[in-house]
Amino acid sequence: AAGVIQSPRHLIKEKRETATLKCYPIPRHDTVYWYQQGPGQDPQFLISFYEKMQSDKGSIPDRFSAQQFSDYHSELNMSSLELGDSALYFCASSLGHRPHEQFFGPGTRLTVL
Amino acid sequence: AQKVTQAQTEISVVEKEDVTLDCVYETRDTTYYLFWYKQPPSGELVFLIRRNSFDEQNEISGRYSWNFQKSTSSFNFTITASQVVDSAVYFCALALNTDKLIFGTGTRLQVFP
Repeated sequence: AAGVIQSPRHLIKEKRETATLKCYPIPRHDTVYWYQQGPGQDPQFLISFYEKMQSDKGSIPDRFSAQQFSDYHSELNMSSLELGDSALYFCASSLGHRPHEQFFGPGTRLTVL
Repeated sequence: AQKVTQAQTEISVVEKEDVTLDCVYETRDTTYYLFWYKQPPSGELVFLIRRNSFDEQNEISGRYSWNFQKSTSSFNFTITASQVVDSAVYFCALALNTDKLIFGTGTRLQVFP
């Protein structure tokens, strides 16, 4: 069965650079959720989209923005990167805005040097 | 307050021992979902189980079993006859009527041969 695809899987950036993380949900899934997991931490909810509209927002820095496109894939844009942005970024998707049925992708590991 | 507490930061056992990972949750909602995820060193979040608040039946899946007790707001996870491959960080999580999953801080399980 198809799963959530995240790209790239690993990304290395310098401070103050910009990064774009991509998430391709499971086919037919129309809801996407983003989480950030710092080293040794639990995943923290950033933002979610349902049918291309922002659905919910967590502790997402102003330097980050995200959107969901017409094909339901989503991109998380991160600007002015800081060392503290180094983390695993997970995307999850669900069908029909059912947060309790989120399927997680493998994650993108971002390292900021 | 909505919260998930995993009081055990780290547990070490020897192979074939049984081990129980504790999870205590807090919510005033009557409808909620509880989850367990496994995060191996490779980083992905592996879904283990989901339970809704109306289903207190315990569940067994191979060497894994879960004990859900609403009276004590606990959702504990037991691994029977642990194996080295069980070594990972285990997260308990709570889903309410919002988009985000609320994770506990995780329990690192180390199984030694």
